[in-house]
Amino acid sequence: SAVISQKPSRDICQRGTSLTIQCQVDSQVTMMFWYRQQPGQSLTLIATANQGSEATYESGFVIDKFPISRPNLTFSTLTVSNMSPEDSSIYLCSVVQGAFVGYTFGSGTRLTVV
Amino acid sequence: AQKVTQAQTEISVVEKEDVTLDCVYETRDTTYYLFWYKQPPSGELVFLIRRNSFDEQNEISGRYSWNFQKSTSSFNFTITASQVVDSAVYFCALRGMNTGFQKLVFGTGTRLLVSP
Repeated sequence: SAVISQKPSRDICQRGTSLTIQCQVDSQVTMMFWYRQQPGQSLTLIATANQGSEATYESGFVIDKFPISRPNLTFSTLTVSNMSPEDSSIYLCSVVQGAFVGYTFGSGTRLTVV
Repeated sequence: AQKVTQAQTEISVVEKEDVTLDCVYETRDTTYYLFWYKQPPSGELVFLIRRNSFDEQNEISGRYSWNFQKSTSSFNFTITASQVVDSAVYFCALRGMNTGFQKLVFGTGTRLLVSP
């Protein structure tokens, strides 16, 4: 299965600033996803990162707040913009390879907004 | 709509006890996949098992076993002779195949605490 490098692993940020999270995969993958896990909660899908086109966002998530890039089949970024303490969460990148329906997750980015 | 319910928020056991984590799912898709993931305190998600809707055979992997019953829409996970290292949050997840959309839907998770 794919190996994912997600950076940074954690960060403490000031409110009003933005943070960009990187997800690098060691092989080409079909689908890339970004999830948010708020403290003590389950994982919620933010968006599907599409190569060469705009990301597809889930209800409740907007591009202005969570802009996503996917310039190729091995890399994606998620930006958390104009952060507030409510954005404090773990953000996880996930990938699916080819027709295989298994999902691999990055190690996550633990974000604290103060 | 697809939904995964993990009714047990937190379970506490003493080492060497057996423990079962419940998972009930809802989907209208005739073909779907079910997953279990482990999330230790470090935060990463560790894949445990994937099961498709056509395979109701139970599976055992070491101390782990899974019981899939389509009749009750359940996919329960049992840890035999639990160990302290099993302490983590466990998530059950579902992916429907009929719609072609590859979204993975997670349950709310069950926190397992294994004390020595």
